[in-house]
Amino acid sequence: RKEVEQDPGPFNVPEGATVAFNCTYSNSASQSFFWYRQDCRKEPKLLMSVYSSGNEDGRFTAQLNRASQYISLLIRDSKLSDSATYLCVVHRSGSARQLTFGSGTQLTVLP
Amino acid sequence: EAGVAQSPRYKIIEKRQSVAFWCNPISGHATLYWYQQILGQGPKLLIQFQNNGVVDDSQLPKDRFSAERLKGVDSTLKIQPAKLEDSAVYLCASSPRVGLAGELFFGEGSRLTVL
Repeated sequence: RKEVEQDPGPFNVPEGATVAFNCTYSNSASQSFFWYRQDCRKEPKLLMSVYSSGNEDGRFTAQLNRASQYISLLIRDSKLSDSATYLCVVHRSGSARQLTFGSGTQLTVLP
Repeated sequence: EAGVAQSPRYKIIEKRQSVAFWCNPISGHATLYWYQQILGQGPKLLIQFQNNGVVDDSQLPKDRFSAERLKGVDSTLKIQPAKLEDSAVYLCASSPRVGLAGELFFGEGSRLTVL
């Protein structure tokens, strides 16, 4: 089983739609969680951290469920500019391999 | 603030040839990473440096890949000899925090095609 698993998509949604991505992780010792965004042929950039209590940044909401070992990202009122690949990232301190990236979920927002 | 600089941006070589990539992290960032990203996959860590020491190279194919960060600033990643499956984008990233638990700053990457 992969350490971090994501639905690869692609998700094709119309502008204004709400879309949610899930990510599951296998190691219960994982401590910190992040969502990165990667535009086509560009480098990944941090979108937001994921906190236990859930956190929101404008149209984006991230949630963590430690009991079920999954992380979610919700995008409301999708914009064309949201089209990208969203990478789930899991961190374990004290591990030799500290940051593990998922394979990403591809989102295309259609006009 | 200048970002992470990488060169070359693109490289095409034949299998069994060698190639080297260079990275200059953001000034003051102690931690430097090399990731390999194959098309359709997420970045996979090859090696992590803390200053000029190696923290993790467990996923580096040491029979053909090598990396150094001699003065704790810039770094080079070398592949010799290259195989077809090495075709990928090689991403360098840096982080200001010791032990990391936060944001990585990536360079634009070096895209390698092995023919």
